[in-house]
Amino acid sequence: EVQLVESGGGLVKPGGSLRLSCAASGFTFTAYSMNWVRQAPGKGLEWLSSITSSSSYIYYADSVKGRFTISRDNAKNSLYLQMNSLRAEDTAVYYCARLAGYSLPLDYWGQGTLVTVSS
Amino acid sequence: DIQMTQSPSTLSASVGDRVTITCRASQSISSWLAWYQQKPGKAPKLLIYKASTLESGVPSRFSGSGSGTEFTLAISSLQPDDFATYYCQQYNSSSCSFGQGTNLEIK
Repeated sequence: EVQLVESGGGLVKPGGSLRLSCAASGFTFTAYSMNWVRQAPGKGLEWLSSITSSSSYIYYADSVKGRFTISRDNAKNSLYLQMNSLRAEDTAVYYCARLAGYSLPLDYWGQGTLVTVSS
Repeated sequence: DIQMTQSPSTLSASVGDRVTITCRASQSISSWLAWYQQKPGKAPKLLIYKASTLESGVPSRFSGSGSGTEFTLAISSLQPDDFATYYCQQYNSSSCSFGQGTNLEIK
């Protein structure tokens, strides 16, 4: 069974940093691109970043470019999101999601981890 | 960046009704469109991809159509479990994007 479990969320002050993790199991992690998507309270889904299976290609939304860094450790079946210079508007539930394949959508999602940016 | 616009934002319907949700892309995305269902406090669930291909396990009352810039999600006979928020997503480019969502509520 495919499982994605996010962790690392919490309360952080504006300007602070946080590192999210996503532990993957039930599939061959090294074969899939992975993504981060967030959802602010009561709002819609916002794609943030993607990374290919071997980390060769990385993409970011303009809203987080230069502040957030996506990475993965294939030996640990883990995906990460390093978030720096956090702002109140970064408050959201952060999901990791698997890209099903080339020209395919996000087929499996984690349960999400809440990040709250507040003083 | 490709912008996705869904309509309506809110849709009120009854069990047994047929409903449709529209999604428009700011430029052509061929058929690289997916639909997701999300319930409160839960992760989105993939329903349809490549505009009209039903994900495994999704009931056949869900269907998708369209290509280019205009797409439709239809639910043929609403069931109580279908009341949720629906999102379209384009994955035509290296950066995907979502519509703002349609909240399907019980009339």
